[in-house]
Amino acid sequence: GDSVTQMEGPVTLSEEAFLTINCTYTATGYPSLFWYVQYPGEGLQLLLKATKADDKGSNKGFEATYRKETTSFHLEKGSVQVSDSAVYFCALNRGGSQGNLIFGKGTKLSVKP
Amino acid sequence: DAGVTQSPTHLIKTRGQHVTLRCSPISGHKSVSWYQQVLGQGPQFIFQYYEKEERGRGNFPDRFSARQFPNYSSELNVNALLLGDSALYLCASSLRLDSFYEQYFGPGTRLTVT
Repeated sequence: GDSVTQMEGPVTLSEEAFLTINCTYTATGYPSLFWYVQYPGEGLQLLLKATKADDKGSNKGFEATYRKETTSFHLEKGSVQVSDSAVYFCALNRGGSQGNLIFGKGTKLSVKP
Repeated sequence: DAGVTQSPTHLIKTRGQHVTLRCSPISGHKSVSWYQQVLGQGPQFIFQYYEKEERGRGNFPDRFSARQFPNYSSELNVNALLLGDSALYLCASSLRLDSFYEQYFGPGTRLTVT
């Protein structure tokens, strides 16, 4: 079945460091890919998305590129801030009769000043 | 514009009881989905409704049921609560079912079963 695998956390970085959170997926067809962020005690917020191969999603300095050849959608940010501390979830959606999101287990990011 | 709203925010129930959670989607959104998020895990899909019809069901027991109303709001019902049902229950809405439509999440209902 469809699945999403994320790198294990927690990830601890110093402010202004470079961030990469790896995400790979298994799915039939051509799913859309998403990154969601969850701040402590809150629901999920959509961070960015990509709907076809080679698309790059970007938002708030975060980027991820849909790589079909490697079935990956790694999240990157050039310079993290303390306010980026949160749990990040990679997810896919095949749409149609399978229109639900399938999530990875999440990666907790802590940014130290 | 108001986002997805859920009620109640927190709930404490005893094993064997029944619970009803409510969700109001973003105005104009016709699809509502429910997810269960156990502490430290990613959300797991429970149900999806579109235009008041069930369009998808995850791997959850029959104790879980849901419905969508003519105004597109939705209820999730859980019968015969177990300790393992303690979780954050998230509702998400989207315009349609196609994969490229974003799902927007509410703040969740934190259910504790004692």
